[in-house]
Amino acid sequence: NAGVTQTPKFRVLKTGQSMTLLCAQDMNHEYMYWYRQDPGMGLRLIHYSVGEGTTAKGEVPDGYNVSRLKKQNFLLGLESAAPSQTSVYFCASKTERGYNEQFFGPGTRLTVL
Amino acid sequence: AQSVTQPDIHITVSEGASLELRCNYSYGATPYLFWYVQSPGQGLQLLLKYFSGDTLVQGIKGFEAEFKRSQSSFNLRKPSVHWSDAAEYFCAVAHPAGNNRKLIWGLGTSLAVNP
Repeated sequence: NAGVTQTPKFRVLKTGQSMTLLCAQDMNHEYMYWYRQDPGMGLRLIHYSVGEGTTAKGEVPDGYNVSRLKKQNFLLGLESAAPSQTSVYFCASKTERGYNEQFFGPGTRLTVL
Repeated sequence: AQSVTQPDIHITVSEGASLELRCNYSYGATPYLFWYVQSPGQGLQLLLKYFSGDTLVQGIKGFEAEFKRSQSSFNLRKPSVHWSDAAEYFCAVAHPAGNNRKLIWGLGTSLAVNP
């Protein structure tokens, strides 16, 4: 099992450009998450999904959109990138059982110039 | 409001010394509790979790944590630290209801290990 994978690992964008980050999991997990991690601010939830075709906002959703067309994939889109979106982005997934933990991908480092 | 506090932003210990990382939570009910570790440039890995039963839980890499309901704490311990334990450590909690859909995260404690 590959677990949770993220594509790409690194990306540099110019302000105003768009891009999509791909998260894939092969564990048949129902729930998937997108976080951003910034120095001194811990992990902040952007959007999450509790099943195929469903998405919900986290605590910092502005400027991002997501889609969960297939159970194994969760896409994070930036329509018009801003320097404030420079961050490390992590995807995670978990089963729907309450006591189970989230499994994390290796992260994507995004720089917006 | 529900919150998780990791009082120590940065800790430095000598290799071989014992370690305790603190985690306190503010919650209406006993939550599910998690400790994750993040090595430099890596994703997060679960060290251990507590959801019921014995309040002393064992995890990977020789770590353990103790849930103390009266203190709303879930402190992480290791009797003898190795240089490879240098990393960022995150405490997180979730409400048992709602299938633990979302975690509330502490801001993390950065651990440095002196040789």
